[in-house]
Amino acid sequence: EVQLLESGGDLVQPGGSLRLSCAASGFTFSSYDMSWVRQAPGKGLEWVSGIRGSDDNTYYADSVKGRFTISRDNSKNMLHLQMNAVRAEDTALYYCAKWRYSSGDFDYWGQGTLVTVSS
Amino acid sequence: DIQMTQSPSTLSASVGDRVTITCRASQSISSWLAWYQQKPGTAPKLLIYEASTLESGVPSRFRGSGFGTDFTLTISSLQPDDFATYYCQQYNTYWTFGQGTKVEIK
Repeated sequence: EVQLLESGGDLVQPGGSLRLSCAASGFTFSSYDMSWVRQAPGKGLEWVSGIRGSDDNTYYADSVKGRFTISRDNSKNMLHLQMNAVRAEDTALYYCAKWRYSSGDFDYWGQGTLVTVSS
Repeated sequence: DIQMTQSPSTLSASVGDRVTITCRASQSISSWLAWYQQKPGTAPKLLIYEASTLESGVPSRFRGSGFGTDFTLTISSLQPDDFATYYCQQYNTYWTFGQGTKVEIK
């Protein structure tokens, strides 16, 4: 059974940093592409970042480019999102999602970790 | 950036009703479209991918159609478990979601 478990969400001040993690199990993590998708309170879904399993190529939404860094540790089946220079508009529930490159969709999602940016 | 526009934003319906949600892309995305269902407090669930392919385990009352810029999600006979918010998502240039359609009890 595929499981994705996010952690690391917290209250952080504007301009601060935070590192989110996602522990994956139930599939061969290194063979699959992964993404982060966020949802601001009461709002819709926004794709944040993605990373390929085959070559570690990374992708970012314009809203986070230059501030966030996605990475993976295939030896530990872990996905990370380093968030720097955070802003109030980064406040959201951050989901880790398994990304199917062939069809472009997200077939498995974690339950999310909450990031609140406030002074 | 490709924008995705869903309509309606809210839909009131009864059990047994046929429900249709539309999603329009700001430019052609071929068949690179997925639909998700999200219930309060839970993660989104993939229903349909590549515009019309039903994800494994999803009931056959869900149907997706469309190509290019115009897409629809149809629920043939609404069930109590189907009251939720539905999102479309494109994958032609990166990923963009529609704003969501809430299906509520009439």
